[in-house]
Amino acid sequence: DIVLTQSPGTLSLSPGERATLSCRASQSVTSSSLAWYHQAPGQAPRLLIYGASTRATGIPDRFSGSGSGTDFTLTISRLEPEDFAVYYCQHYGSSPLTFGGGTKVEIK
Amino acid sequence: QVQLQESGPGLVKPSQTLSLTCTVSGGSISSGNYYWNWVRQPAGRGLEWIGRIYTSGSTDYNPSLKSRVTISIDTSKNQFSLRLNSVTAADTAVYYCARRGEYWGQGALVTVSS
Repeated sequence: DIVLTQSPGTLSLSPGERATLSCRASQSVTSSSLAWYHQAPGQAPRLLIYGASTRATGIPDRFSGSGSGTDFTLTISRLEPEDFAVYYCQHYGSSPLTFGGGTKVEIK
Repeated sequence: QVQLQESGPGLVKPSQTLSLTCTVSGGSISSGNYYWNWVRQPAGRGLEWIGRIYTSGSTDYNPSLKSRVTISIDTSKNQFSLRLNSVTAADTAVYYCARRGEYWGQGALVTVSS
């Protein structure tokens, strides 16, 4: 199984700042089959990025994904109030699908 | 716009079977080459993938749950379902259904308690 390790566990930033979230895989992720999700409290996850770097429909361009192989990054260029939430990475290239443990982006 | 809605008992007794159904609207569950997932999230914790089913009926399961899980699909009702046997308190969670990662249900809280 591919284990995804997200870091940091918590990121304390102010609105307008840049956020950089990391997701490291225990083995190479097939065909960059790596997704990122945003989850606000009490809500279902929302797909942000798939294929490591492709924004999902309706996702603003302040969100960008990069990386390949075992190292992936989600960057939020300028944090908006609604961006303070938990972010998960997920690999979906082969079964079993797995999620990282999450990074909480909180207001400093 | 595709929408998914989970339904089923919110309370299940230990050792019994948890059963949830996901109803898909806004599109046919049979169209497209999609897979349909179940994901769960215990309170205050992260996401755990349970398994998925393709429209062909083939399935993949999380190895940690495989012995207890069955996912099925009913294309005539535009639904897919989850059954989890021999539940314990550790199975208490919000259960989500999803089409790949694009569309998610709002989640259904299932509590395992006597």
